[in-house]
Amino acid sequence: DIQMTQTPSSLPASVGDRVTITCRASQSISRFLSWYQQIPGKAPKFLIYGASSLQSGVPSRFRGGGSGTEFTLTISSLQPEDFATYYCQQSYSSPWTFGPGTKVEIK
Amino acid sequence: QMHLVESGGGVVQPGGSLRLSCAASGFSLKNYGVHWVRQAPGKGLEWVAFIRFDGSKTDYGDSVEGRFTISRDNSKNMLSLQLSSLRPEDTAMYYCATDLYNWNAFEVWGQGTMVTVS
Repeated sequence: DIQMTQTPSSLPASVGDRVTITCRASQSISRFLSWYQQIPGKAPKFLIYGASSLQSGVPSRFRGGGSGTEFTLTISSLQPEDFATYYCQQSYSSPWTFGPGTKVEIK
Repeated sequence: QMHLVESGGGVVQPGGSLRLSCAASGFSLKNYGVHWVRQAPGKGLEWVAFIRFDGSKTDYGDSVEGRFTISRDNSKNMLSLQLSSLRPEDTAMYYCATDLYNWNAFEVWGQGTMVTVS
């Protein structure tokens, strides 16, 4: 199985900050990487697929990058509604696995 | 607008069974592969199972293989997840989600249904 890791696990930040989350895969997954946002008590929301393709309706302040084993999710200017937990997920080979999550919290 | 609604969760004893359902509204589910993803209380996301749009292929996570069965009825625009031989570690919120074709990503999510094994 492909193992996914994320750093940091917790990210204190303020509104307007630029934040970056890193996701690493235990083997190369090309660009088969997606990102999700989850607000407590809610279902996850699909943000990005193919490492950098923004899902329809997702604000352009979200940006994904990377390939192979290292990927990033950047929020260019953090908004109040962006405080949430973010998960990466590989879709290169089954079983489809998620990272442990990064909680973006208010500093 | 595309919506998924899960139902069938509840409290069940270890070794018991439960059947979860996932219904679609606003679109035809028969055009989509569908996954189940679960989340134990306070924990991360775990992929559980997948069924192809026409039911011709299924796939399961290692921890549920042989105990859970995914199926679908496209004539009713819904699908099911049969949970058997349940264990306390199966306690989680269970979400169904449509598959983003060719990407094995989880596009549209339901609100989830809670399963407690105790």
